[in-house]
Amino acid sequence: DIHMTQSPSTLSASVGDKVTITCRASEDIDDWLAWYQQKPGRAPKLLISDASSLESGVPSRISGSRSGTEFNLTISNLQPDDYATYYCQQYDTYLITFGGGTKVEIK
Amino acid sequence: EVQLVQSGAEGRRPGESLRISCTASGYTFTSHYITWVRQMPGKGLEWLGRIDPAESYTDYSPSFRGHVTLSADKSTNTAFLQWSSLRASDNAIYYCARHSHGGNFLDHWGQGSLVTVSS
Repeated sequence: DIHMTQSPSTLSASVGDKVTITCRASEDIDDWLAWYQQKPGRAPKLLISDASSLESGVPSRISGSRSGTEFNLTISNLQPDDYATYYCQQYDTYLITFGGGTKVEIK
Repeated sequence: EVQLVQSGAEGRRPGESLRISCTASGYTFTSHYITWVRQMPGKGLEWLGRIDPAESYTDYSPSFRGHVTLSADKSTNTAFLQWSSLRASDNAIYYCARHSHGGNFLDHWGQGSLVTVSS
């Protein structure tokens, strides 16, 4: 299995801050990585696919990038609606795996 | 509009069987795989497996193979997740999700089904 190490597990930030969440794959997955946002009591929502392709309707302050086996989700100008838990997911193989999640909390 | 509507909350005792459902609308059911994901209380997302509704071909996570069964009914656009013998550790919310066309990221999700297993 491909293991996804996500960090940090919790992040405290203020409205207007820029935050970065990192996922590291245990092996090369090319650009086959997605990011999801989950709010309490709700299903996950797809934000980004193919490491950096923003889904329709997702604000442009959210972006994704890749360097080797390290992937970043960056939220610029953090807004109240962004406080949630974020998960990465690799899909290089049919046996997809998720990172452990990052909870973005209000500082 | 693509929608995945899951069956409601269920309560069972250990050893009992259960089947939950995920009914799709707004797209061609047989054109996209359906995946099932577990979320235990306060924890992260775990992939259980996926099914191709066109052929009912399945792939399972090694962690869940033999404990759960995936199936699909093309006539009702519904995917199912089934247990023959529940354990207390199956307490969780279960989500179905649609695979992207020809791909393996999950572009639409059901609302989740809460499964409670308790003696």
